[in-house]
Amino acid sequence: AQSVTQLGSHVSVSEGALVLLRCNYSSSVPPYLFWYVQYPNQGLQLLLKYTSAATLVKGINGFEAEFKKSETSFHLTKPSAHMSDAAEYFCAVSSFYNQGGKLIFGQGTELSVKP
Amino acid sequence: DTGVSQDPRHKITKRGQNVTFRCDPISEHNRLYWYRQTLGQGPEFLTYFQNEAQLEKSRLLSDRFSAERPKGSFSTLEIQRTEQGDSAMYLCASSSRSAGVIHEQYFGPGTRLTVT
Repeated sequence: AQSVTQLGSHVSVSEGALVLLRCNYSSSVPPYLFWYVQYPNQGLQLLLKYTSAATLVKGINGFEAEFKKSETSFHLTKPSAHMSDAAEYFCAVSSFYNQGGKLIFGQGTELSVKP
Repeated sequence: DTGVSQDPRHKITKRGQNVTFRCDPISEHNRLYWYRQTLGQGPEFLTYFQNEAQLEKSRLLSDRFSAERPKGSFSTLEIQRTEQGDSAMYLCASSSRSAGVIHEQYFGPGTRLTVT
């Protein structure tokens, strides 16, 4: 079975500050990990994905995430927050052994950016 | 690539009525997924198709729910005898398929259902 836990349902940072959104996963098979962003009343947009290649993954809009197997973590970071980063962020896990590649999502973290 | 589209974007219906949603995936994608997202939660998997075959259904998909993808292109999700608990955002996603590779899923804008 696979599951995802996102620590902190709401994170608030100042513009220009470091963004750190936490994701821990549970998987009995090698995981594929994803971060998606959702703006109000919209669908989900892929930020980045980990598929067993490099453990440090760079995504769009300056975001990156590091896969740490020993900590079962895949935290999302961005060095300097921008007002436009305010949104809901979802971490998701899948697996090659997971029929069809369905995604299992965490509960999400809402990011607020203060001017 | 025009992206994944969904129709309608919003639907308000009375309890007990039937509703149908449509999803048009990215044209070259042979996998199509449906998810449900309730307020303050992450999306939950409902079902997926590979071409026209429905290969997996979640336990969340009660007998009142049915999904089809008749020609392996667009898909419909029907809810019969809607209940207030069906109020949610219904998201469609599509992806391609290659042996030994998990491809990312591209999501549509969703259909927000409100059952009154």
